[in-house]
Formats: sequence, structure tokens, C-alpha cells
Amino acid sequence: AQKITQTQPGMFVQEKEAVTLDCTYDTSDQSYGLFWYKQPSSGEMIFLIYQGSYDEQNATEGRYSLNFQKARKSANLVISASQLGDSAMYFCAMRENTGFQKLVFGTGTRLLVSP
Amino acid sequence: SAVISQKPSRDICQRGTSLTIQCQVDSQVTMMFWYRQQPGQSLTLIATANQGSEATYESGFVIDKFPISRPNLTFSTLTVSNMSPEDSSIYLCSVPPPRGYNEQFFGPGTRLTVL
Repeated sequence: AQKITQTQPGMFVQEKEAVTLDCTYDTSDQSYGLFWYKQPSSGEMIFLIYQGSYDEQNATEGRYSLNFQKARKSANLVISASQLGDSAMYFCAMRENTGFQKLVFGTGTRLLVSP
Repeated sequence: SAVISQKPSRDICQRGTSLTIQCQVDSQVTMMFWYRQQPGQSLTLIATANQGSEATYESGFVIDKFPISRPNLTFSTLTVSNMSPEDSSIYLCSVPPPRGYNEQFFGPGTRLTVL
């Protein structure tokens, strides 16, 4: 069964600094996808970045990059040049590319960006 | 990307009553997913709704409590039956990405409070 682990309940970072949010996963599948979502206090789930298990390059989307280490089964999110608007909950998720392709989520990390 | 809308956006209900949540997608999709997010928790999949067949429920969720309809390829409803305060959650629907894409998007959510 799939499992996602986020060990940081909360993280603090100063504006303009970079921050890394940790995510490890467990799966017996060879083909899977890893996601990061941002959830502000409004409750909506905002897609940030995707990494496929066969992608050789780390994914990047603007200020977001995913540090994918397949052998270690980790998919850490790096946010560069943090902004006050980055304060939110961040969820790591995995989707196996078979069956119903459902997403399984980690417990989340609350990021607080201070001025 | 798919545009997903949900109704209602929020509601306050009395215990023992039922609420039906609607999810509308702007394109035809085979599967629709319903998630629950209890206060301070992560997202948990309730069920996968396929058009033309019974929904597939995850462990811990039953059809009598969360009946789902899927009358066509763009619409689904989730009913939360005989509600108790423990059902107070955000309920979100999601659809898998179109072929060739990886992003998986969510509706804006329905914030339910049961008194």
C-alpha cells in the first residue's frame, strides 16, 4: 500500500529565504507520480508541482522545485525566495499509475513566512 | 486544465439531517473522486465514482452514509447522511488529468459544519 510521510508539522522561514519541505513515500509500484499542493486558509487545494517516477530531471515550476531522490524515496519541495503569501499548509501526495489512480496524501506541513 | 465547481461552498446543518454536495466538471471524465478533510487533518479518499457503475468506497466509508450518484460524465453528487458533528469537514471532489497531462485538480471544496 502507498504511504506518504511528512515529518515536519510546522516550518518557519523569513521572507526572501528558501525553505525545504520534506516528503518521503513508500510504494511497491514502479510507475507513480508525486505531487505537492498548497492549501491556504480558504481550503482550496492548489496544485504546485508534479514529478513522475521515470523523470530523470527534477521538476521545477517557477519558485518551486522538487528534489527527487528515487533511491531514498524522497520528494522534497523547495520554495525559493519565500513570500508572505506562501504561508499555508503544504501537502505531498502520490498517485500510482495503475487502477483508479487515486491520490494518497501526507499529513501536511504548515509553513509560516515572516517579514 | 479541468474547471471544477462545487455547490454549496459551505453549509451549517443540524445533526440527523442530510446534505447533498454537487460537483460539476467542464469536460467529460470517466472517474471522479470524493475526498474528506476533517479539521486539522489531511485529505482522505471517500470513494471513486465511475459513470454507469456503483461507486467504489475506501475502507471506513460506506454507501449508506455517503451515497454517491454519477448520472453523466460531467456531474456527481455526494450525500452526507444522518449527520453528526464528526462529519464537520471540507469535502472536495477531484478528477484525474486528461491523457498526456499530469496535474490533478480539485474543486473549491464544500465546508460543512454540523451542530
